[in-house]
Amino acid sequence: DAKTTQPTSMDCAEGRAANLPCNHSTISGNEYVYWYRQIHSQGPQYIIHGLKNNETNEMASLIITEDRKSSTLILPHATLRDTAVYYCIVRVAVWGGSQGNLIFGKGTKLSVKP
Amino acid sequence: EAGVAQSPRYKIIEKRQSVAFWCNPISGHATLYWYQQILGQGPKLLIQFQNNGVVDDSQLPKDRFSAERLKGVDSTLKIQPAKLEDSAVYLCASSPGVAGGHNEQFFGPGTRLTVL
Repeated sequence: DAKTTQPTSMDCAEGRAANLPCNHSTISGNEYVYWYRQIHSQGPQYIIHGLKNNETNEMASLIITEDRKSSTLILPHATLRDTAVYYCIVRVAVWGGSQGNLIFGKGTKLSVKP
Repeated sequence: EAGVAQSPRYKIIEKRQSVAFWCNPISGHATLYWYQQILGQGPKLLIQFQNNGVVDDSQLPKDRFSAERLKGVDSTLKIQPAKLEDSAVYLCASSPGVAGGHNEQFFGPGTRLTVL
């Protein structure tokens, strides 16, 4: 079972910041927080990941609370093309074996509206 | 860089028939995954290969599903015989499988299977 809890759906106005929350209260010390998104009729796409520090890349920012029990994915200027299902996943980042496999929940369906 | 290729993109069959899906991962990626995604749910891992060996097939319904990755490159997933509940999108993903790396998974577009 997925170890995260996300809202089922969210709306965001085009050009505004989209803030997607995720609860992972049982996260272990060696587990990272990963975000993937899935645009309609496509496979999931990696967005960003982090352990305990805030992270930023060209797609998004990830804010992780100090106790690591929750996080927020921020799309700073949402566009219509950001409409997708966003998955928050906790996983051990190891190579080899099945420990680091992705376990997807139902995610949050983000609708960006004009 | 070419992405993960899958074929066919769509398949419609009747229950009890057989079907096969093909996946070509990103060149050089050691790890290959097959996922099943039922409408309205997140993808569920069916099987994971490291090169041509199976790492995890705990969620593969082995009475009807089989998968192989000959020569550690391409892979096929087969369902025989298909049931109505197998209607889903079958996603293939690959990752570098590098020690010490976070091993981002790259997904293909999927094959949408409809069982009538």
